[in-house]
Amino acid sequence: EAQVTQNPRYLITVTGKKLTVTCSQNMNHEYMSWYRQDPGLGLRQIYYSMNVEVTDKGDVPEGYKVSRKEKRNFPLILESPSPNQTSLYFCASTPGQGRGENEKLFFGSGTQLSVL
Amino acid sequence: QKEVEQDPGPLSVPEGAIVSLNCTYSNSAFQYFMWYRQYSRKGPELLMYTYSSGNKEDGRFTAQVDKSSKYISLFIRDSQPSDSATYLCAMTKTSYDKVIFGPGTSLSVIP
Repeated sequence: EAQVTQNPRYLITVTGKKLTVTCSQNMNHEYMSWYRQDPGLGLRQIYYSMNVEVTDKGDVPEGYKVSRKEKRNFPLILESPSPNQTSLYFCASTPGQGRGENEKLFFGSGTQLSVL
Repeated sequence: QKEVEQDPGPLSVPEGAIVSLNCTYSNSAFQYFMWYRQYSRKGPELLMYTYSSGNKEDGRFTAQVDKSSKYISLFIRDSQPSDSATYLCAMTKTSYDKVIFGPGTSLSVIP
């Protein structure tokens, strides 16, 4: 089954404790991105990657890191989480920037993060 | 002013009603318009997408774009309880650009 898999689904942590949220897709998509979803603000892009070893900042990158060492995986790293990073996070992929299908995003099921 | 605005609702309708969901936007460069549906505790899924102005129909769903007014709509006919979800409008300038999302409208269809 074609899908984007995120883990964990729920995470409660404390301020300053490094964490990683994993994301994997099995569709051989080139383009992957991370979003956070907050009430009233909608989905905001954190980082995106157009291909292996190619990443760039989205609208709200502060406090986050990403890496793209393999095509299928795109982990989101919070080196020192703070309470304002409490949010619902989504990983998404699309067939590829080059194929012009950026609008057809496939989303994972989300990670609800609480930073105390 | 936000780039994409959407009435957050919640919107509650009886089963069988016609539902109209709307978004306005400020950037006239947007060309691709999408509607994503998001069920509770799930990621958004692409429901409809249209290019430029006009209508597109898919079963009970019709997407309408009026670029002159910078206004897009999603109509749901014969609404069902399974349509209860949050509906996000989204748009982009080209198929290679970042997608901008509205904040979403929460819809409940009551049996």
